[in-house]
Amino acid sequence: AQKVTQTQTSISVMEKTTVTMDCVYETQDSSYFLFWYKQTASGEIVFLIRQDSYKKENATVGHYSLNFQKPKSSIGLIITATQIEDSAVYFCAMRTMGYKLTFGTGTSLLVDP
Amino acid sequence: DAGVTQTPRHEVAEKGQTIILKCEPVSGHNDLFWYRQTKIQGLELLSYFRSKSLMEDGGAFKDRFKAEMLNSSFSTLKIQPTEPKDSAVYLCASSTGTSGNTLYFGEGSRLIVV
Repeated sequence: AQKVTQTQTSISVMEKTTVTMDCVYETQDSSYFLFWYKQTASGEIVFLIRQDSYKKENATVGHYSLNFQKPKSSIGLIITATQIEDSAVYFCAMRTMGYKLTFGTGTSLLVDP
Repeated sequence: DAGVTQTPRHEVAEKGQTIILKCEPVSGHNDLFWYRQTKIQGLELLSYFRSKSLMEDGGAFKDRFKAEMLNSSFSTLKIQPTEPKDSAVYLCASSTGTSGNTLYFGEGSRLIVV
């Protein structure tokens, strides 16, 4: 069975700093995809960034990057130069070759000015 | 391109009523998902369709929840009969038929059962 765990319930940081959100996953599949999604205060869920399990390089998109540690089944999200509008709930998710997307419980990020 | 469209956005139902939530996926997407979101349980998968075929029916949600894909561009989620514990946000998402492709979410339907 697939499982995704986010242990950090909430994080508070000052604007323009760097924040890291943790995520660990469990799967028996040898190939899988890891995602981070952001849910804004309005409830909208948007895709941020993806890591393919077979790729060694950490994915980077804008000021989002990933710290993929496959031996530890870990996929951390790093946000550099945080902005007020980064305040949201961040979900880690995993999709195996089967189909469904399994989500973690989310980490609430508050960026203070 | 239009995103995922969900209606209604808000619904208040009395216990025992039948509720039908609707979803139009992104045009051309083969996969459609229904999720339920609550503060306690987070995001729970209710149903998953691939090319209109039901691939997963959410196990614990079989009893009163029924999702259907009437055609490639329209899906419904029926809850019958509703119970107060069904109060939640119901999210529809779609993606192309490749596991690596991301899901696009609708804005959700907020259901309150009194």
